[in-house]
Parts: sequence; C-alpha cells; structure tokens
Amino acid sequence: DQQVKQNSPSLSVQEGRISILNCDYTNSMFDYFLWYKKYPAEGPTFLISISSIKDKNEDGRFTVFLNKSAKHLSLHIVPSQPGDSAVYFCAASDSGTYKYIFGTGTRLKVLA
Amino acid sequence: GAGVSQSPSNKVTEKGKDVELRCDPISGHTALYWYRQSLGQGLEFLIYFQGNSAPDKSGLPSDRFSAERTGGSVSTLTIQRTQQEDSAVYLCASSSDREGYEQYFGPGTRLTVT
Repeated sequence: DQQVKQNSPSLSVQEGRISILNCDYTNSMFDYFLWYKKYPAEGPTFLISISSIKDKNEDGRFTVFLNKSAKHLSLHIVPSQPGDSAVYFCAASDSGTYKYIFGTGTRLKVLA
Repeated sequence: GAGVSQSPSNKVTEKGKDVELRCDPISGHTALYWYRQSLGQGLEFLIYFQGNSAPDKSGLPSDRFSAERTGGSVSTLTIQRTQQEDSAVYLCASSSDREGYEQYFGPGTRLTVT
C-alpha cells in the first residue's frame, strides 16, 4: 500500500508558464514533507520542505502548498525554465521518526 | 566540501554472486540511509544508521541484504547470492540531523544482475 502517491508520471509545460506537481498521502501521522529534484545519473537534491504547521512555503520560483484536510501537497514552479526538466519526488515523514516515504516521482519536461 | 560519494557507479554481476556497494557520507554527518530505486518505482527505504548502529533494518528486503558502517563514516551494503530482482539503483544519503529532514544523496550505484 503506497502511503505517498504521485499520480502523474509525467508533465510537459511551456517555458515561462507555471508547473504544478501534485502529491497525495494517506498517513495522517505525516507532518513533514519535502520535495526533491533528480537529474539522470545523479542523486536527488533537496528543493523545499514544509511542516504541517504551515500551509505554504516559498523559496524563489518554488512554492509548496499543503492541504492537510485533503492530505495533498503541491509544488508550484513559476516561471518554469528548461533547466527545471527533471524527475520530482515528494517525500513525507512523521517528525518523530527518521524514515521518509517517497512517491514514485513525476517527470517534468519544460519546453523551450 | 565533498558531497556523498558512492562506488562503484555501475556494477554488472551474474546471478548468484555477492556484491558490495560503498557509501562515503559527508564528513561529520551522523545519520546515513540506504535506499533502492527499481525501474518505475519511488525510493524504497532499506536501512538507517545513526553513528555505527542501525536502529532500523526493517526495509532490508531479505536476509541476503546486510549493511554495516564503521567509524561513523563509510558504509557498505552487501547483497549475497544476487537475484535478477535485485537490479536497481542503490542510493545512499547522509544527514547531520537524527531526524534527517534534509538528506544529501550520492549519485547512486546502478546494479544489474544478469
């Protein structure tokens, strides 16, 4: 049973437009969420995180929104750039533990 | 400073052979994690080290998998009698915080079992 789901395996967006990547979770104990970006042949790199005490966190072009009642989070990238083309993973944790559960990833392609 | 490094970057082995995968975490990071990413799958947690001890080995898929960490630094993941379903990218991450809220990943080792 997958506790963290990214239902869109891929997404294509025109350069300059907004990219919205979605993530759903089932475990109500999760209270810390992260997004990672992964290029081919590299390990994932940390992008942005959000704690359940917030519903929004912003860092430059990246904003993460958390809807606890819907158990849903999303990553917005605006404006999208070709260099943003990568696989994006969301991960969730119960902050009382060290274990992160990752989604299956969404491959974003930003078209020039 | 140097990031997390893993070796080898690629490993092709015959079914039934043993393999060892190595991880060098960021210096000073006390927490170390191993994950596996199979084709089309997310990152699957395997094992977590705090210092040299592994409080959670629950993610190891079978008793053919083992891991150790020495000197609070380098870690080795060993897979005995490899099977084709072990083929995956094995990723190591380290963190300076026990809760590991920001993990730094290595580039991974791509294991192919023929």
